[in-house]
Amino acid sequence: EVQLVESGGGLVQPGGSLRLSCAASGFTFSSYGMNWVRLAPGKGLEWVSYISSSSSTIYYADSVRGRFTISRDNAKNSLYLQMNSLRDEDTALYYCARTFIAVAENFDYWGQGTLVTVSS
Amino acid sequence: DIQMTQSPSSLSASVGDRVTITCRASQIINIYLNWYQQRPGKAPKLLIYAASSLQSGVPSRFSGSGSGTDFTLTISSLQPEDFATYYCQQSYTTGYTFGQGTKLEIK
Repeated sequence: EVQLVESGGGLVQPGGSLRLSCAASGFTFSSYGMNWVRLAPGKGLEWVSYISSSSSTIYYADSVRGRFTISRDNAKNSLYLQMNSLRDEDTALYYCARTFIAVAENFDYWGQGTLVTVSS
Repeated sequence: DIQMTQSPSSLSASVGDRVTITCRASQIINIYLNWYQQRPGKAPKLLIYAASSLQSGVPSRFSGSGSGTDFTLTISSLQPEDFATYYCQQSYTTGYTFGQGTKLEIK
């Protein structure tokens, strides 16, 4: 059974940093691209970042580029998101999601999310 | 960036009703369109990929159609567990933009 379990969320002050983790199991993690997607209070889903299976390709949303860094450790079956210079508008539930390619990409498995609150 | 616009933003319906949600892309995206369901407090769930392909395990009452810029998600006969928020997503370009969501509520 595919499982994605996020951790690392919490309360942080504006300008602060946080590192999220996503532990994967039940599939060959090193064969799949992975994403971070967030859901802010009262808003819709927003894709944040993508990393390919070998880490050779990385993309970011404009809203986080230069502040967030995605990475992965295939030996540990883990995905990470280093978040720096956090802003109030980064407050959200952060999900990791697996990319599956069928005709084009889709996000076929999601974790339950970890909550990040940016507030003074 | 490609903008995705869903309509309606919210919808009230009854068990057994047929409902349709539409999604329009700001530019042509061929069939690179996915639909997700999110129940309160739960992770999003993939329903439809590539505009009309049903994800494994998803009930056949869900269907998708469209290509180019205009797409629809149809639920043929609403069940109690279908009351949720639905999102479309383009995968034509990185940015993987989501629509703003359609909240389906019980009438």
